[in-house]
Amino acid sequence: AQSVTQLDSHVSVSEGTPVLLRCNYSSSYSPSLFWYVQHPNKGLQLLLKYTSAATLVKGINGFEAEFKKSETSFHLTKPSAHMSDAAEYFCVVSEYTGKLIFGQGTTLQVKP
Amino acid sequence: DTEVTQTPKHLVMGMTNKKSLKCEQHMGHRAMYWYKQKAKKPPELMFVYSYEKLSINESVPSRFSPECPNSSLLNLHLHALQPEDSALYLCASSQAGLAGGNNEQFFGPGTRLTVL
Repeated sequence: AQSVTQLDSHVSVSEGTPVLLRCNYSSSYSPSLFWYVQHPNKGLQLLLKYTSAATLVKGINGFEAEFKKSETSFHLTKPSAHMSDAAEYFCVVSEYTGKLIFGQGTTLQVKP
Repeated sequence: DTEVTQTPKHLVMGMTNKKSLKCEQHMGHRAMYWYKQKAKKPPELMFVYSYEKLSINESVPSRFSPECPNSSLLNLHLHALQPEDSALYLCASSQAGLAGGNNEQFFGPGTRLTVL
């Protein structure tokens, strides 16, 4: 069975500094992986997805993630945080059935 | 049109009321989903419709009743809810039916439900 572990429940950075949100996954086959962002009282927005093409995936708003099979990781990064990046971030793996398996989420706080 | 819409945005209901949540998408997607999300938690899958047929019911209590009148519309009928059912209810859709791993889902903004 697939599973996702987000290694940090809360990350705090200063505006203009890099962001790293960590995600490890477990999958018995080549997975599809996603990062979604959720701003307060909003729905989920897809940031980026990995579907066995390029291992470095670029997403919206300057985010990117690198798929590392040997480390079973899919960490999300951004070179320079903006105040508007403050939100909840979910790492997600898609089961072969199509069901999404969500991590527990990481709250990103951006300090001025 | 690349969005999923949900109405109402907010709903307050008593435990004896009957109400419905509505979700609509015009992207030609063939799978639609209902999720329940409690504060500070990830979404929990409730129901999946694939090609307008109920494919998955994640052991949801019968006080929640889904309906898919056509490929663009998904309803969630609510009756005799409990205060612990208060949550954000999210609808999502995906292009393909359920099978296959590349199942990018598009989410609506949600309905914030409060049960008194």
